Amino acid sequence: KQEVTQIPAALSVPEGENLVLNCSFTDSAIYNLQWFRQDPGKGLTSLLLIQSSQREQTSGRLNASLDKSSGRSTLYIAASQPGDSATYLCALYNTDKLIFGTGTRLQVFP
Amino acid sequence: DAGVIQSPRHEVTEMGQEVTLRCKPISGHDYLFWYRQTMMRGLELLIYFNNNVPIDDSGMPEDRFSAKMPNASFSTLKIQPSEPRDSAVYFCASSLSRGRETQYFGPGTRLLVL
Repeated sequence: KQEVTQIPAALSVPEGENLVLNCSFTDSAIYNLQWFRQDPGKGLTSLLLIQSSQREQTSGRLNASLDKSSGRSTLYIAASQPGDSATYLCALYNTDKLIFGTGTRLQVFP
Repeated sequence: DAGVIQSPRHEVTEMGQEVTLRCKPISGHDYLFWYRQTMMRGLELLIYFNNNVPIDDSGMPEDRFSAKMPNASFSTLKIQPSEPRDSAVYFCASSLSRGRETQYFGPGTRLLVL
C-alpha cells in the first residue's frame, strides 16, 4: 500500500529564506506527482505536476524535483514571502488514484 | 471558466438527517472526484466518475454514503442518515484525464453533524 509522508509537518521562517519541503513515498511505481497548495478554508490549488519520466518542474520561484528510485520529491521555494503561507501537499497518482501526503504547514513572517 | 463549483459551502445538521452535497465540474472535464478531508485522516478519495459513470467507489466509507452523476455538469454526494463522525470538509475535483492532467478542486463543503 502506497504511503506518502511529508516532513516537516510545520515550518515557520522569516521572509526571504529559501525553503525545502520534503515528500517521501513507499512505492516507486507512480504515474506522476503533484504539489498542491491549500489556504485555510479553501480548496487545493495545483502548483506543479511532474510526470514519472521527468526529474523536475519549475514555475516562478517554485521548483519541484522527483527521484523515484529513492522515493522522494522536494519542493523548493526561493525567496519566501508572507503570501506563501499555506499548507503544501504532495500527491501521487498510483494507478488511477491520487494519494495525498500528510502536508506541511508553512508560515512565512515579515 | 468559473472553476469547480460546490454547494453549499457550509452545512450544519443534526445526527440522523439527510445531507446532500452538490458539485458542478469544469465544462469539458471527463473525470469527477469526491474527496473528504479530516484532521485525523487527511484527504481521502471517496469515489470518482468517468463520463458520468462511477468507476471506483471503494473509498466510500459506508452504505450511508451514495453519489450520483446524472449528467456531465452535475454530481451529488448524499449521506443518509448522517452521523457526527461524518463531520469533515468534502471536496469535489474534476480533470480532463485521470493521470496526465492536473485535478482542479472546488472550494469544498464544510459539514458539521451535531
